Amino acid sequence: EPEVTQTPSHQVTQMGQEVILRCVPISNHLYFYWYRQILGQKVEFLVSFYNNEISEKSEIFDDQFSVERPDGSNFTLKIRSTKLEDSAMYFCASRVAGGHNEQFFGPGTRLTVL
Amino acid sequence: AQSVSQHNHHVILSEAASLELGCNYSYGGTVNLFWYVQYPGQHLQLLLKYFSGDPLVKGIKGFEAEFIKSKFSFNLRKPSVQWSDTAEYFCAVSRSQYNNNDMRFGAGTRLTVKP
Repeated sequence: EPEVTQTPSHQVTQMGQEVILRCVPISNHLYFYWYRQILGQKVEFLVSFYNNEISEKSEIFDDQFSVERPDGSNFTLKIRSTKLEDSAMYFCASRVAGGHNEQFFGPGTRLTVL
Repeated sequence: AQSVSQHNHHVILSEAASLELGCNYSYGGTVNLFWYVQYPGQHLQLLLKYFSGDPLVKGIKGFEAEFIKSKFSFNLRKPSVQWSDTAEYFCAVSRSQYNNNDMRFGAGTRLTVKP
């Protein structure tokens, strides 16, 4: 069964450094999402992406964040200058176009900012 | 503000007990409703979903949920829980099947089932 994959599973970085989190959505999916989950808290929407542009973003997704689909398979989340409070689990999700909205989630990347 | 509320933060049950986890949302208009489960150390998995039709939906592992539009609720139920149901349960709502459909999640309910 096809699944969303994410790399790395765990990323440790120093405050102020840039990180890129990678996701490979399911191949025939056209809508892509990033969510984050700070330890012990709820899953929060960050951004949705369709047709090579951001469709919607939350207030969390400020200028430090960017997303890109550099090729036909990867979907990346970049944090330009990480802060301690960026430490969280980051989940990628994708879904097919049209129809009902079932999003399929990846296993997540745990980002630790020191 | 539009939100998803899960009333129970932590529920502790013995095996074979019945389960009901509450979920209310405040979005207007057409919504899609989901329950996801997150087992310890694992990622989110879809338990069940509601888009339209019969408001009582059945999911995997014996779970079901009922959509009550008048109450803006989508409560999760299971008649008899097992130790393996120990996990975090998230209710999620998306607003329309035709737009970008970003999901809004509730805060989650941690279920602990004692053997």
